[in-house]
Amino acid sequence: DIQMTQSPSSLSASVGDRVTITCRASQSVVNYLNWYQQKPGKAPELLIYSTSSLQSGVPSRFRGSGSGTEFTLTISSLQPEDFATYYCQQSYTSPRVTFGAGTKVEIK
Amino acid sequence: QVQLQQSGPGLVKPSQTLSLTCAISGDSVSSNSAAWSWIRQSPSRGLEWLARTYYRSKWYFDYSVSVMGRATISPDTSRNQFSLQLNSLTPEDTAVYYCVRGGSHFEPWGQGTLVTVSS
Repeated sequence: DIQMTQSPSSLSASVGDRVTITCRASQSVVNYLNWYQQKPGKAPELLIYSTSSLQSGVPSRFRGSGSGTEFTLTISSLQPEDFATYYCQQSYTSPRVTFGAGTKVEIK
Repeated sequence: QVQLQQSGPGLVKPSQTLSLTCAISGDSVSSNSAAWSWIRQSPSRGLEWLARTYYRSKWYFDYSVSVMGRATISPDTSRNQFSLQLNSLTPEDTAVYYCVRGGSHFEPWGQGTLVTVSS
């Protein structure tokens, strides 16, 4: 299985901050990398697919980039509704995909 | 828009079989462009893809190594839904189970069912 490692595991930030989350794959996943947001008690929601394509309805302050084994999710200006846990997921080995352990974004 | 509504028990005894159902609205389980999966989430194992089914002139089924031989994913075209059966349950199977549309990336997700395996 391809292992997905996210860093940091948690971070504290303020409204308006720029936030960057990193996801590293144990081997190349080309650009088959997706990002999800999960709020407490809710199911994850797809934010970005294929590294940088924004899912319909997702605000443009979310941006994904990277290739191969290193990827980033950037929130350009953190909003109150963005406090959540974010997961990366590789789909290179679809259907046997794997997820990162998550990055929790908390209010400073 | 596509919506998924899950149903099934929250408590199952060890060694028994879990049966979960996902009703689809806004799409078809036999769509030639969609796939349908089950994913679970637990503190110990994180998010874990379990199984997928899709229709491309015939039905296809895929399973994760971790549940192969114990899991069965089944489409029900008459009710436009799909289900997951997982047998020989152990406490390690305790998790929130989600049905989702997709086989590579996933959206939307069902509301989730917390399944506890305990006597």
